[in-house]
Amino acid sequence: DTGVSQDPRHKITKRGQNVTFRCDPISEHNRLYWYRQTLGQGPEFLTYFQNEAQLEKSRLLSDRFSAERPKGSFSTLEIQRTEQGDSAMYLCASSLAPGHLSYEQYFGPGTRLTVT
Amino acid sequence: GQQVMQIPQYQHVQEGEDFTTYCNSSTTLSNIQWYKQRPGGHPVFLIQLVKSGEVKKQKRLTFQFGEAKKNSSLHITATQTTDVGTYFCAGPPSYGKLTFGQGTILTVHP
Repeated sequence: DTGVSQDPRHKITKRGQNVTFRCDPISEHNRLYWYRQTLGQGPEFLTYFQNEAQLEKSRLLSDRFSAERPKGSFSTLEIQRTEQGDSAMYLCASSLAPGHLSYEQYFGPGTRLTVT
Repeated sequence: GQQVMQIPQYQHVQEGEDFTTYCNSSTTLSNIQWYKQRPGGHPVFLIQLVKSGEVKKQKRLTFQFGEAKKNSSLHITATQTTDVGTYFCAGPPSYGKLTFGQGTILTVHP
């Protein structure tokens, strides 16, 4: 399967614990995005990378959230001291960089986080 | 910041009826993309519109981009049960990240 993969698919954690999610993008894609989606809403942008550089972070991304893409391939999203409000689906997407004819985003299956 | 508003929030149709969802942006969009998310699934890219007034068709789906590049629509002719899902429009204010509308949830009754 050459699509975007995410691990784990589900994570249940207790409030105050740290969690880390992984995303493996489509190999030739140099852009990688993280979104958060809650029930009944569209995906909300969190951050994105071009290669290993983090180009933009949303104001939604508090200092408890950190994302990395150390070698410009896979990415991790860490949430420290989780809160119940962090419960959501965390989606990763990848694309080619702008300048290409079409740079639609390919989404992974998501990691569903439940904070109890 | 940029906002993308989508209406209606819900649409229930009988199989065979048509369906339309509308997307409006507070700012001019360089392009607009449409995605479909099946229940329990993830967003899947449908199409990208770039030119003012552009119209594109995919079988029973017709996509339009407004002349001012601030609105768009998706029309499905003769819906089928396989069309069930949430349809999102998404636009960048410039090339880069996407701002999604809140989506239109389509239910098709057989």
